[in-house]
Amino acid sequence: QSALTQPASVSGSPGQSITISCTGSSSDVGAYNYVSWYQQRPGKAPKLMIYDVSHRPSGVSNRFSGSKSGNTASLTISGLQTEDEADYFCCSYTRTTAHVFGTGTKVTVL
Amino acid sequence: QVQLVESGGGLVKPGGSLRLSCAASGFSFRDNYMSWIRQAPGKGLEWLVYVSGTGSYTHYADSVKGRFSVSRDNAKNSLYLEMNSLRAEDTAVYFCARQDSRGEHFDNWGQGTLVTVSS
Repeated sequence: QSALTQPASVSGSPGQSITISCTGSSSDVGAYNYVSWYQQRPGKAPKLMIYDVSHRPSGVSNRFSGSKSGNTASLTISGLQTEDEADYFCCSYTRTTAHVFGTGTKVTVL
Repeated sequence: QVQLVESGGGLVKPGGSLRLSCAASGFSFRDNYMSWIRQAPGKGLEWLVYVSGTGSYTHYADSVKGRFSVSRDNAKNSLYLEMNSLRAEDTAVYFCARQDSRGEHFDNWGQGTLVTVSS
């Protein structure tokens, strides 16, 4: 099972919106509404930001939103803030290996 | 609050073995599936294995199947990962993570423990 494909980096200025894509296949992203997103700051554990494609856990800013179309899921960060600078990973349930993560995207706030 | 604390990492020679532990607190441990997930230096996350709440059901990634073994002791609120036939490519930070009982996502993670496989 190959990793889901994410852009290596995405950048934006404070206040702007950015979108990170996560492309899989009909065996994972396209097959289930079990896509989640994680934020990871350097040296820290990942933190759940979005689950089940578009649901936000309690305590996560509503500036983070998720969606899915076909085999591609997306994470949008609106009103970009310096504290959003981190690595972001998507994850999907899969028919074969249970869970597969994305390649990861480094978000830079300019 | 939920807390997961990994231990047992360290330096091991290729072909060697290591046992990782994850101590859980702040929730009813037996109610949740648990997973091990690793991250090689400067790389992405790789899911390795999950174990059901009772410990009776497990599922492994192909990359570790036959070499790694997961177990749990619900009386001790602990999760374990027995790693055998270690290779250089197993060098990574190993995280234990709680799987939300309502879905297929990881809602709490430990801080990780570093395993280095080198001669």
